[in-house]
Amino acid sequence: AQKITQTQPGMFVQEKEAVTLDCTYDTSDPSYGLFWYKQPSSGEMIFLIYQGSYDQQNATEGRYSLNFQKARKSANLVISASQLGDSAMYFCAMKWASKIIFGSGTRLSIRP
Amino acid sequence: EAQVTQNPRYLITVTGKKLTVTCSQNMNHEYMSWYRQDPGLGLRQIYYSMNVEATDKGDVPEGYKVSRKEKRNFPLILESPSPNQTSLYFCASRPGGSNSNQPQHFGDGTRLSIL
Repeated sequence: AQKITQTQPGMFVQEKEAVTLDCTYDTSDPSYGLFWYKQPSSGEMIFLIYQGSYDQQNATEGRYSLNFQKARKSANLVISASQLGDSAMYFCAMKWASKIIFGSGTRLSIRP
Repeated sequence: EAQVTQNPRYLITVTGKKLTVTCSQNMNHEYMSWYRQDPGLGLRQIYYSMNVEATDKGDVPEGYKVSRKEKRNFPLILESPSPNQTSLYFCASRPGGSNSNQPQHFGDGTRLSIL
């Protein structure tokens, strides 16, 4: 069965430092996609970055990059030079066929 | 403006009183989905729809119904709500079929409290 795990319920990081949010997944399907979403305290879900299982390169979007290690089944989100506005819940999600499952989330707090 | 619109945003109601949460998207997306978000559990998929008249169960469909009579609308129906359905609900849509890797666009959420 497909499974996705975020092992860090909460993290505190100093402003301007880089931060890595962990995500591991389990699937026997060779075709899948991995997403990261941000949920600020206002509640909306904001798409950050996507990685496909067949993509050769790690995805990057501005300050966000995805450290995709297929053999280890991990898809960690790296945020470079963190900002106060990065304080939010972050969800990793895995899509296969028509279905999608989300991890339990990591609450990131950036200290000034 | 491209958006997914949910109504109501907040609702407090009582056990057993049927309610409907509406969801509408203006992006001509084929795929629509409903999720509930509970603390420590992330988002869990309730139902999804690949296109008009094509709906399927997600991971937690019990106690919910959906319909997709038009492409833009995907209402969530609670026929007999119970307190364990108190949650934050999100509707989402994306273009393409099952193989699409497009990200989902989410509505702003509906906070339901069932007393």
